[in-house]
Amino acid sequence: QSALTQPPSASGSPGQSVTISCTGTSSDVGGYNYVSWYQQHPGKAPKLIIYEVTKRPSGVPDRFSGSKSDNTASLTVSGLQAEDEADYYCSSYAGSDRVVFGGGTKLTVL
Amino acid sequence: QLQESGPGLVKPSETLSLTCTVSGGSISSTSYYWGWIRQPPGKGLEWIATIHYSGSTSYNPSLKSRVFISVDTSKNQFSLKLSSVTAADTAVYYCARLAGFGELFFWGQGTLVTVSS
Repeated sequence: QSALTQPPSASGSPGQSVTISCTGTSSDVGGYNYVSWYQQHPGKAPKLIIYEVTKRPSGVPDRFSGSKSDNTASLTVSGLQAEDEADYYCSSYAGSDRVVFGGGTKLTVL
Repeated sequence: QLQESGPGLVKPSETLSLTCTVSGGSISSTSYYWGWIRQPPGKGLEWIATIHYSGSTSYNPSLKSRVFISVDTSKNQFSLKLSSVTAADTAVYYCARLAGFGELFFWGQGTLVTVSS
């Protein structure tokens, strides 16, 4: 299984919106509605912020939203805040209880 | 909560062994799966393996020949063994609780394992 493809970096100014893409194949992203997104601050464990493409766990601000079209999933962060600066990873179910991650995107708040 | 434990230093060619202790809930819940993920320094996340309390397992194909995951319901723990380690296996190893289709809802704090002689 190959890693999902994410842009290495993204940036935006406070208050703006930024979208991060995550491209896979019909065997993972395109084949299942089980794409997740994780936020990781330096030195910390990743935190789930989106699951099942569009759902947010309790406590995650609605500034974070997810979507999917064919083999590409996207995470949009609206109303950027300084604390949103972090690494973001997508993952997808890949069948037979397997999971595949994206390479990660470093989000910089300018 | 999930807490990883094990040696922080492993010699090349030896076996890396880690245990994750689950507290605040039963590892025998039918709804959850349990897994290991690693992150080499400065790099991205890599899923290693997943297990259900029933014993059902799944492994990353790229590591499958060297990895073994097991569960001990009496101790509310699950474990990882990675054999024939090299410097490329140096990473922070996380244990996590997964939902049925790979969503990692809860993570341990992670433990750094360095492979070096």
